[in-house]
Amino acid sequence: NAGVTQTPKFQVLKTGQSMTLQCAQDMNHNSMYWYRQDPGMGLRLIYYSASEGTTDKGEVPNGYNVSRLNKREFSLRLESAAPSQTSVYFCASSLGTGNRNTIYFGEGSWLTVV
Amino acid sequence: AQSVTQPDIHITVSEGASLELRCNYSYGATPYLFWYVQSPGQGLQLLLKYFSGDTLVQGIKGFEAEFKRSQSSFNLRKPSVHWSDAAEYFCAVGRPPPSNTGKLIFGQGTTLQVKP
Repeated sequence: NAGVTQTPKFQVLKTGQSMTLQCAQDMNHNSMYWYRQDPGMGLRLIYYSASEGTTDKGEVPNGYNVSRLNKREFSLRLESAAPSQTSVYFCASSLGTGNRNTIYFGEGSWLTVV
Repeated sequence: AQSVTQPDIHITVSEGASLELRCNYSYGATPYLFWYVQSPGQGLQLLLKYFSGDTLVQGIKGFEAEFKRSQSSFNLRKPSVHWSDAAEYFCAVGRPPPSNTGKLIFGQGTTLQVKP
């Protein structure tokens, strides 16, 4: 009954450090997403992967890279963390890319950059 | 460009009272519309969605929403609020076909507090 699993749940980074947020889904979904959530701004799409082997930029991709490792896994990398990247990050997945497909979210990863 | 506005950042209601959370969107055509709920420390859960047809949509946990094209609104309602409904609520829009990218635009969120 796992659904979408993200690791780590909490992380503190120093400015300039790098890190990777891991995400895996066990629902055999084709599409996966990374969102960030900031107070008063709702969720904003960073990157998405419509299917295995493809990735595309979302609304706020600068400072991030992604890898769709296989159908199950979609990682988000911060190469040189900045305080502006302090946020809560959500991985999500859906069966397909059409908006009729329900998007399922993970529980979030709290990242602080100092 | 698409946008979603939730005018109320914070709402407090008494347990048992009715609830209405407002959502207005800006889009050239009728988008797909969604309401999500986020409990503290949790991810988002889909409450309901509207694609077409009947403008009154029923969701989980006793919630419903009404699409009003003339007002570009998709307000969420519940007749009687329970303490467990305290959470943050997000309205979101997605592009209908042919723009099937699965991307959603979220509103800023409304935090619901329930008084005993």
